[in-house]
Parts: sequence; C-alpha cells; structure tokens
Amino acid sequence: DAGVIQSPRHEVTEMGQEVTLRCKPISGHDYLFWYRQTMMRGLELLIYFNNNVPIDDSGMPEDRFSAKMPNASFSTLKIQPSEPRDSAVYFCASGERGGGDTQYFGPGTRLTVL
Amino acid sequence: QKEVEQNSGPLSVPEGAIASLNCTYSDRGSQSFFWYRQYSGKSPELIMFIYSNGDKEDGRFTAQLNKASQYVSLLIRDSQPSDSATYLCAVNLRPGNQGGKLIFGQGTELSVKP
Repeated sequence: DAGVIQSPRHEVTEMGQEVTLRCKPISGHDYLFWYRQTMMRGLELLIYFNNNVPIDDSGMPEDRFSAKMPNASFSTLKIQPSEPRDSAVYFCASGERGGGDTQYFGPGTRLTVL
Repeated sequence: QKEVEQNSGPLSVPEGAIASLNCTYSDRGSQSFFWYRQYSGKSPELIMFIYSNGDKEDGRFTAQLNKASQYVSLLIRDSQPSDSATYLCAVNLRPGNQGGKLIFGQGTELSVKP
C-alpha cells in the first residue's frame, strides 16, 4: 500500500498567488481530512469529507480557502489569494470505514508564502 | 479551556526509564482517544488508540483512559533514544455516525537521553 500521497512536498510562492495542494488517499478509505500545522496553533483540522462529500468545513479559516473531492481518489485544497500567514505544513489524512476514527497521514506539503 | 490539553514539555528521561505522557480533554461525551508520534519534519503516525476505561498495552506502549477524570495517558517502557519525538494526543469529539473529527493537543516533546 502506497499510503497517502501529497503533492507538491514543498511550495514557495509569492503573496497573492494561487496555491493548489493535492492529495490521493489510501484506496478504500471513506474519509479524507485536511489539516494545517504551525508552531503557534499546532495541528488544526480544516475540513473533512466522507464519501467525497464535505462534512465539516468549520476549520477553514476564510473564503480564500476551498477544498474539493471530485472522486474517491483525489482531493485538492486551494488558497486564492495566498498570504504570508498561510505559511504552514498542510497534511492530508485518510480514514478507514467504520467511522473514520483511525487516520493515516500523508507526508505533508510545506508551504511558504513570501 | 482548550478542548485537549497536554504539557508541552520537553520531557526528558534517561534511556531505559518509563516515560509518562498525559492529556486531559474537556468534552465528557468523547468516546475515542488516540496517540500519535511525530518526528521532527515528519507527519504524525498513529501508535495507539483506546476506547474503554482502563489500560491497553501494545509492546512497550500502554495507553490508559479514565473517562470519569477525563484524562488519557501514554506510558513508554524501556525508553529508547529513537522514541524521542513529539507525542500528540487526539480526541474524537463526534464519534459514531458523525465521523472522525479529531481534536489534537499541542503535543508533548519527549527526549530520551542515552
């Protein structure tokens, strides 16, 4: 099993640019989660999907952030326009059937907005 | 009060000792509890989960849950330098058919000295 796959692993962009992060969950997992981790705020849940449907997006910081899951094997997190305070590590995680409690994390995307 | 609280550490123990990591949570209705290990620059990795009061052992790791006191702990026996990492406590605040929304603590940094 390849595990959760994220791309890119590193992204450096300038303020105002659009950023798209990508995630491929583990095959057969019904739940997909997007997290952001910073030193100040720790690991925060941004949004999660069940069977490709967004269930809870209360953690999305503002309208500049959007997430989609067009099919069971692909999800994107988009930031438009990006700001320096968006600099963080963004993790995607997927969960097994039966409630999604057990989550497996991808390697993360380190985003730097200059 | 934060929903999930951990001592940030760092917690330093000598090699071979028992490391004890603690976590408290605010929602008395929480049903499932997780410990993740995160090495510097890496993604969180699930090491233990516990649902019922009492102890659950897996190799050198023991998770302890006390729902009445709203705390969960992780014991690491015979600590090794390779156990040096940040340990994240996570609590599922909406179990069952509402999916796996985990709230993470800030993490406790553990350092095992040879």
